[in-house]
Amino acid sequence: GEDVEQSLFLSVREGDSSVINCTYTDSSSTYLYWYKQEPGAGLQLLTYIFSNMDMKQDQRLTVLLNKKDKHLSLRIADTQTGDSAIYFCAERWNNNDMRFGAGTRLTVKP
Amino acid sequence: ETGVTQTPRHLVMGMTNKKSLKCEQHLGHNAMYWYKQSAKKPLELMFVYSLEERVENNSVPSRFSPECPNSSHLFLHLHTLQPEDSALYLCASSQDMGPGELFFGEGSRLTVL
Repeated sequence: GEDVEQSLFLSVREGDSSVINCTYTDSSSTYLYWYKQEPGAGLQLLTYIFSNMDMKQDQRLTVLLNKKDKHLSLRIADTQTGDSAIYFCAERWNNNDMRFGAGTRLTVKP
Repeated sequence: ETGVTQTPRHLVMGMTNKKSLKCEQHLGHNAMYWYKQSAKKPLELMFVYSLEERVENNSVPSRFSPECPNSSHLFLHLHTLQPEDSALYLCASSQDMGPGELFFGEGSRLTVL
C-alpha cells in the first residue's frame, strides 16, 4: 500500500507493556521513526532505527524492525500514565520527505 | 527559549480574511518545513525550505503561500481559505534534509469559518 498504517487506538493498564505496530510502505526507506505527540503539543522524536538494524533498545523503549514484512513496532515497558499520547510511525523515503502514519492513541489506565 | 516556536497558537478566520502563521527556530538548523495535521489524514508535508530556498511543494493550493526570509524564520500566508483547511499546522526544522531528526513546534490550530 501507499500509506503508513497503524491501528488508531490502544488501551493498557499502568505497569503493563504496550506494543504499537506499524506497517510502512517502502522497503528502501533508510530510517524509521517513532514520534510522540502529547495533547496540545507538537511531535517529539522518541527514537529511530536505521534500516540495517533489527532491534534498538533505549531504556523502556524497544523498537523491532522486520524489513521483509515492512513492519515496525514500538514496545513500551512498564507503561505509565505519562505515556498516554499519540504515537506516530514515520519513514524517511527520500531526502525531502517523511511519510507519517495516522497515529496510535495510547491510553494508560491506572 | 524553546527550539521551535509557532505563533499564534490558535487562529479563527473567515474565508475572506488574510492572516499569517509564523515559525521561528533557535536551533541553528538550515531546513524548515510546514506540515498539516487534520483529523481525517495523516501528517501531510506542505512545504520544505533548505537554506531559504523552497525545495518541495507537495501540490498545495495557492491560497497557502510560504515565505522563508532567513534560515530561522518561516511564514505561512493564508488567504481565501476554505473550511476544510481547518487543521493544526506544524512547523519543523532539521539540520540538512538528510536522515536527521525533525524538531517540531507546538502547532497553530486554525479554524476557518
